[in-house]
Amino acid sequence: QQQLQESGPGLVKPSETLSLTCTVSGDSISSNSYYWGWIRQPPGKGMEWIGIIYYSGSTYYNPSLKSRVTILIDASQSQFSLKLSSVTAADTAVYYCARGRLSAGIVGATFFDYWGQGTLVIVSS
Amino acid sequence: QSALTQPASVSGSPGQSITISCTGNSSDVGSYSLVSWYQQNPGKAPKLVIYDVIKRPSGVSNRFSGSKSDNTASLTIFGLQADDEADYFCCSYAGSSTLVFGGGTKLTVL
Repeated sequence: QQQLQESGPGLVKPSETLSLTCTVSGDSISSNSYYWGWIRQPPGKGMEWIGIIYYSGSTYYNPSLKSRVTILIDASQSQFSLKLSSVTAADTAVYYCARGRLSAGIVGATFFDYWGQGTLVIVSS
Repeated sequence: QSALTQPASVSGSPGQSITISCTGNSSDVGSYSLVSWYQQNPGKAPKLVIYDVIKRPSGVSNRFSGSKSDNTASLTIFGLQADDEADYFCCSYAGSSTLVFGGGTKLTVL
């Protein structure tokens, strides 16, 4: 059974960098069968896809966030991470990490079959 | 890349069927049969209920069914049950290795 758990600060100051880590247990994070992704949900709003990373380190980002986002993978720790720079109040959200399955053999086309519980990050001074 | 459009809320009585729509455009839903649906209860992790428009993961009830026509994907729940009450949101591949989500729909079982 795959399990994912987000961790990181729940409060970040405006203009600073949001940093979260997702710890994966169960199937190997180094498997070539999966992508590993970040999705967020602002309070009272819909989900927003942030980006995904493959075990090789290849990354694919939401174009609207691409200039501020970095997703990295550390297989030795069974973790992948999210960094979002220059945050504003609009980045306040519950952040989820999830396991993605490749769909139709198209690079970057995924559906998410396991999710973490999510972690609320508030951007405020 | 605009969010997919879902109704804010739908409702139905136990035993009835409901359908939740997810409307995109010719760059996402209309171009790919790569729509997934998720069920989310308050404070819980989302649960995958449909992927690749029509496929059901192992363990998901066959009361959940997906379909697509042109730029609109749909999730139908047959034989509505009380524990189906949750938020549902869709997601589509949008080309260039990107994904787009819908705004979510709150399902109320009357």
